[in-house]
Amino acid sequence: SQTIHQWPATLVQPVGSPLSLECTVEGTSNPNLYWYRQAAGRGLQLLFYSVGIGQISSEVPQNLSASRPQDRQFILSSKKLLLSDSGFYLCAWANPGGEQYFGPGTRLTVT
Amino acid sequence: QKEVEQNSGPLSVPEGAIASLNCTYSDRGSQSFFWYRQYSGKSPELIMFIYSNGDKEDGRFTAQLNKASQYVSLLIRDSQPSDSATYLCALSGGSYIPTFGRGTSLIVHP
Repeated sequence: SQTIHQWPATLVQPVGSPLSLECTVEGTSNPNLYWYRQAAGRGLQLLFYSVGIGQISSEVPQNLSASRPQDRQFILSSKKLLLSDSGFYLCAWANPGGEQYFGPGTRLTVT
Repeated sequence: QKEVEQNSGPLSVPEGAIASLNCTYSDRGSQSFFWYRQYSGKSPELIMFIYSNGDKEDGRFTAQLNKASQYVSLLIRDSQPSDSATYLCALSGGSYIPTFGRGTSLIVHP
């Protein structure tokens, strides 16, 4: 069966510091991968998606970037965090039918 | 632009009642429809998907799709307090990018 991991689970970072969040998927090959952000009490905002190694599409221009160095690894990064980057970051993979399966998420607080 | 509309709620129902959650969408090209449940502080969990017009039942859950009227609904029979969560409607139209609604908060009170 497929599983998806994210770490860390929680993170408190000062404004201007860098960020690296990692997501890995097990039990499937060449999945479509997604990064979402959910602000408190808000809906899901799609940040990036990837259909293969090295292929990244950005949905929202911002100070975040994503990379996919391996088939089942997806990384979200920032060089300098802003207060507005606080939120619940979710990684997901999708099967060919479009069903999405989410990781446990990382709760980021920028102070 | 694709839009998915959900009443934010909260929808409050007594334990044992049927909870009815509704979702309308703008893109007639949408092909696949999904319902996710999200408990407070947790990530969304897929609970139902439906591709064809009509009803699809899974345990206490029934998804209903009407493409002509562009709505999809989720019925929860014999609602339990453990069903209290936010329910997200989502759809995809054959591209890699799904569209999510903002969710409806459901409260099931004993």
